[in-house]
Amino acid sequence: EAGVTQFPSHSVIEKGQTVTLRCDPISGHDNLYWYRRVMGKEIKFLLHFVKESKQDESGMPNNRFLAERTGGTYSTLKVQPAELEDSGVYFCASSLLGAGVYNEQFFGPGTRLTVL
Amino acid sequence: DQQVKQNSPSLSVQEGRISILNCDYTNSMFDYFLWYKKYPAEGPTFLISISSIKDKNEDGRFTVFLNKSAKHLSLHIVPSQPGDSAVYFCAASAQKRGGADGLTFGKGTHLIIQP
Repeated sequence: EAGVTQFPSHSVIEKGQTVTLRCDPISGHDNLYWYRRVMGKEIKFLLHFVKESKQDESGMPNNRFLAERTGGTYSTLKVQPAELEDSGVYFCASSLLGAGVYNEQFFGPGTRLTVL
Repeated sequence: DQQVKQNSPSLSVQEGRISILNCDYTNSMFDYFLWYKKYPAEGPTFLISISSIKDKNEDGRFTVFLNKSAKHLSLHIVPSQPGDSAVYFCAASAQKRGGADGLTFGKGTHLIIQP
């Protein structure tokens, strides 16, 4: 079974440009999460989808970040316009939906974003 | 305002000895704790977890201990092996929405196993 996949693996853009990151969760996983790790710091939660609905977007830094999950399958995270402080590794994770139990989150390999 | 703290950025242990990684948390709403292992250029991989109703969980060479009164948990790896060299992240969750909340991570501890 394929794991969580992310595309691209690396992206280098200029300040002010737009970048779109993509995440394909494990098939059947209704929960999808985006996280970000700025160099040397903790992995920070950005937002959580349940199917196509945003369940929690409390971690999104500002309105330059837009996440979508059309049809409840893959998700995109768009940064527009990108700023220097947006550089970091963006991880996507997915898990099964289950009330009252904790279901393990499986992480993708991440997209390393560098804003110059 | 870090809610999960790993105060040791790195730890060096001799192969065959015990590795002990520590983690402290401040949010008393956390009721599920996890350890993830991360190799370079890969995403974090789940290692072991513990619910707040327990104080110990063991899986092979890995044991996690939880001290709720001290808001402290630790991961013990024994015996340590070269393949254990990686960054270890402590993470916590509050299951207020059926266990599906985003995780709160620490900064990680880089474990180096010396031959």
